[in-house]
Amino acid sequence: RKEVEQDPGPFNVPEGATVAFNCTYSNSASQSFFWYRQDCRKEPKLLMSVYSSGNEDGRFTAQLNRASQYISLLIRDSKLSDSATYLCVVNRTGGFKTIFGAGTRLFVKA
Amino acid sequence: EAGVTQFPSHSVIEKGQTVTLRCDPISGHDNLYWYRRVMGKEIKFLLHFVKESKQDESGMPNNRFLAERTGGTYSTLKVQPAELEDSGVYFCASSPGTSRDIQYFGAGTRLSVL
Repeated sequence: RKEVEQDPGPFNVPEGATVAFNCTYSNSASQSFFWYRQDCRKEPKLLMSVYSSGNEDGRFTAQLNRASQYISLLIRDSKLSDSATYLCVVNRTGGFKTIFGAGTRLFVKA
Repeated sequence: EAGVTQFPSHSVIEKGQTVTLRCDPISGHDNLYWYRRVMGKEIKFLLHFVKESKQDESGMPNNRFLAERTGGTYSTLKVQPAELEDSGVYFCASSPGTSRDIQYFGAGTRLSVL
């Protein structure tokens, strides 16, 4: 079993739709959590950090459930430019090792 | 402010040859990380420097890979001799502080071993 698991998709949604991605992690020592976005043949770029209290940035909302070891990302009012791969990223305690999920592919269609 | 830069952007070599990848982190960032993504797989951690010291190199695949960060500035990752399975995209990232800090990624080096 992978330490960080994501549904690979692809998710195909129309413009304006709401879409949600989930991520689970298996190591309870995981300390910090992030969603990154990666466009085709580009580097990963931070989308947002994820906190237990939940956080929102415009159309994007991230949630962390430590008890269930579960992270989510909600995108409202999807835009064509949201088409990308969304990577769930977890940092462990006791070191600086960063674990990436395999990513969830999103296609937003006109 | 310049971001993380990596050189070369692409490298095509033959099996058995040596390749050296370079990463220049964001100025002032003590933490420097190397990652690799092979085709169809997730990005995997290779190692982490704090300044010039290797903090964690548990992700290095084998002793054909050698990473250095002399002087705590830029870093190099040498693969010698390269094998077919070393093909992939090698990303470098840097961050200014603890593991909670956001990592900034370079555009990557796409390595093809033929």
